[in-house]
Amino acid sequence: QVQLVQSGAEVKKPGASLKVSCKASGYAFSDYYMYWMRQAPGQGLEWMGWVNPNNGATKYAQNFQGRVTMTRDTSISTAYMELTNLKSDDTAVYYCTRYYFDSSGYFRFDFWGQGTRVSVSS
Amino acid sequence: DIQMTQSPSSLSASVGDRVTLSCRASQSISNFVNWFQLKPGEAPKLLIYAASISQTGVPSRFTGSGSGTDFTLTITSLQPEDFATYYCQQNYGVPFTFGPGTKLDIK
Repeated sequence: QVQLVQSGAEVKKPGASLKVSCKASGYAFSDYYMYWMRQAPGQGLEWMGWVNPNNGATKYAQNFQGRVTMTRDTSISTAYMELTNLKSDDTAVYYCTRYYFDSSGYFRFDFWGQGTRVSVSS
Repeated sequence: DIQMTQSPSSLSASVGDRVTLSCRASQSISNFVNWFQLKPGEAPKLLIYAASISQTGVPSRFTGSGSGTDFTLTITSLQPEDFATYYCQQNYGVPFTFGPGTKLDIK
């Protein structure tokens, strides 16, 4: 069965960096893009970007340009999201999610990690 | 960016009730809408994709409908495990965007 297992909760100080991992199992890791989303307290879900595990290509949301880097290690079926220069506004739960498509032609985020809670505070 | 709005923002209901959650897009998005259920501490769960197609394993009490700009998620015969927050999301245009959510709690 498909599973996405994320790294554990983090507490960071402003200005620090964060790296969250997302280990995939139960499917061919390189076949589907991995997206990263986040949800700040009391807020909705926000798209951060994606990485193509097949070739490492990435695309980032404008809000995170210059601060986020998404990578992958195909040897261990793991995707990573690194966010630098953390601010208190980055306090959120971060999720990885598989962007799946099939013969129906419809794309969807069908499996999600359990979330990584990140707190940024001085 | 395509804006997604949801109504109501919160809803109180009882086990066994039928509820309808609404989602509206700021422009026509055909049927490129997905619905998710979020519970604190759990992985988000995809319920419906392409506006009306049930994800594998989702109970039949969850149904989606709509096209263009207006979409609905209906839950018939609410179960205790259904009390959660529900989000619609569009993947018609980049960036993909989510609605602000409807929190469904027990009356």
